[in-house]
Amino acid sequence: KQEVTQIPAALSVPEGENLVLNCSFTDSAIYNLQWFRQDPGKGLTSLLLIQSSQREQTSGRLNASLDKSSGRSTLYIAASQPGDSATYLCAVSQPYNNDMRFGAGTRLTVKP
Amino acid sequence: DTGVSQDPRHKITKRGQNVTFRCDPISEHNRLYWYRQTLGQGPEFLTYFQNEAQLEKSRLLSDRFSAERPKGSFSTLEIQRTEQGDSAMYLCASRHTETGGGKWYGYTFGSGTRLTVV
Repeated sequence: KQEVTQIPAALSVPEGENLVLNCSFTDSAIYNLQWFRQDPGKGLTSLLLIQSSQREQTSGRLNASLDKSSGRSTLYIAASQPGDSATYLCAVSQPYNNDMRFGAGTRLTVKP
Repeated sequence: DTGVSQDPRHKITKRGQNVTFRCDPISEHNRLYWYRQTLGQGPEFLTYFQNEAQLEKSRLLSDRFSAERPKGSFSTLEIQRTEQGDSAMYLCASRHTETGGGKWYGYTFGSGTRLTVV
């Protein structure tokens, strides 16, 4: 059974710092990996989607990498801002399940 | 069509009452998913539809839960005889199944329905 783990569970940084969020998964047979942002009490907003054949994706200040063989992905946020404060979730899609498996998320706080 | 819509945004109900939630997916997406999320956890899969067919149900989906997607468009999730343990955020997502050049499409989520059972 696929298990997705996100470390750390919570992170607090001063504004302007570059930071890395980690996601690991136990089964490397995935179709893709998706990073989401969730604000308190809200739904999920897709940030980046990495196909299994890709190594990274970039969008603005965000860069996500994927190492499928080791079961790891990282989300790099450059020059963090208070508006980046949210919970970040990673999720994987697999060939033998028809759903995504999520990690529990990393709760990020960026202090002004 | 700007995204996945869910209604209502919030629902407070008394234990034992029935509740129904609605999800309108992105119109060209043929797959629709329901997830449940409790505080501090990631979303957990409940069920999904391909067009109007419900193809899979999680063990989390007890017999008090039922989902429909008539005509393959919007979907409803009904919970009968609600219990306090049903309190959660219920999320709907949709996506294409058709791949484009060997790539698999990601999921688009709605804003969710927060259910509180008192």
